[in-house]
Amino acid sequence: GAVVSQHPSRVICKSGTSVKIECRSLDFQATTMFWYRQFPKQSLMLMATSNEGSKATYEQGVEKDKFLINHASLTLSTLTVASAHPEDSSFYICSAQKGTEAFFGQGTRLTVV
Amino acid sequence: GEDVEQSLFLSVREGDSSVINCTYTDSSSTYLYWYKQEPGAGLQLLTYIFSNMDMKQDQRLTVLLNKKDKHLSLRIADTQTGDSAIYFCAERAGRRALTFGSGTRLQVQP
Repeated sequence: GAVVSQHPSRVICKSGTSVKIECRSLDFQATTMFWYRQFPKQSLMLMATSNEGSKATYEQGVEKDKFLINHASLTLSTLTVASAHPEDSSFYICSAQKGTEAFFGQGTRLTVV
Repeated sequence: GEDVEQSLFLSVREGDSSVINCTYTDSSSTYLYWYKQEPGAGLQLLTYIFSNMDMKQDQRLTVLLNKKDKHLSLRIADTQTGDSAIYFCAERAGRRALTFGSGTRLQVQP
């Protein structure tokens, strides 16, 4: 089946630094990718829709200047957490849809200290 | 907006069948999905069903959809300890992002 690869799987960073998370569709092209955030023992909440070649669409309450999304090619979307703070610590997961199926990356656990 | 609900916890004995239930509110849902998440890992797509189907079977997994009641269930036959995980149902309309339920933690006792 189709594979979505997310990197890194874990990252620890200092407060105030920026962190980039990559999401790649390995064997298909994805004009649209989605970024989700998952708090401990909770469900996945959609943060934004990443559109190849155009600006991302953010969900209500998600700061676009804090969570910068770049979808520069049909196989790569990146999420940059700018000036990270401890409250940004979370599990971030990307998704790409191929036809009717929706595939997810392995997730990135971000810890801001 | 869309809403998807699941019970939070289910405990079964090894070898029994597990049934995880889900309800949703969006009548325009086109696809309904079941995902499995193990601790610290991403989501594994288990199966999905089109909204115009009422049943789909895939080995030990059976999905039942009652579109009238907006009720989806996942039955796992002969449940094994390796099936212990959190199971998410999700719905999608068109090319929209998925809306997830809260997840059901399945505990399989030996």
